[in-house]
Amino acid sequence: DAGVTQSPTHLIKTRGQHVTLRCSPISGHKSVSWYQQVLGQGPQFIFQYYEKEERGRGNFPDRFSARQFPNYSSELNVNALLLGDSALYLCASSLGPPPQETQYFGPGTRLLVL
Amino acid sequence: QKEVEQDPGPLSVPEGAIVSLNCTYSNSAFQYFMWYRQYSRKGPELLMYTYSSGNKEDGRFTAQVDKSSKYISLFIRDSQPSDSATYLCATHQAGTALIFGKGTTLSVSS
Repeated sequence: DAGVTQSPTHLIKTRGQHVTLRCSPISGHKSVSWYQQVLGQGPQFIFQYYEKEERGRGNFPDRFSARQFPNYSSELNVNALLLGDSALYLCASSLGPPPQETQYFGPGTRLLVL
Repeated sequence: QKEVEQDPGPLSVPEGAIVSLNCTYSNSAFQYFMWYRQYSRKGPELLMYTYSSGNKEDGRFTAQVDKSSKYISLFIRDSQPSDSATYLCATHQAGTALIFGKGTTLSVSS
């Protein structure tokens, strides 16, 4: 069975640009969460979606937004990119609403902002 | 004070050694405790999941939670070069998002 997939794998952008990251959950999983992992740090929670509704939001500015589609895939959008947005962006899926349900992580999208 | 503290290492051990990885946390309301393993350029993979205090064993891995001292441990017996990775502790209380430590980088040499 395919695990969580994310695209693109790598991305280079310049300050002020906009980026869209995509995630496909494991088949049958209805919840997707997004995390930001800066080099040398643990993942930090950004958003959680379950059944296409936002269930949680971390301490990130409004430049960050996300949505979940009817097929349970998800997009993370970041506007007006800053150098500090350079990080590994991880998507995790689970059967039901986390965190009680085990979350399975994708390989991440590595974003570099120049 | 960060909610979850973890020494980033790096930690280097010879093959076959017993490895002890540790985290402390500040919020006594945390109930669920996890250890994830993250290989270079990969996403985290869940290793161990425990609820409240106590021990849990799975093969060469043992997770311990001591809620009285707010201390989480992961022990790896008979460590192998394939165990070389970053180990992340994580915790949460009911209904809240996961909070991760910084991760400890482990290197096991053959």
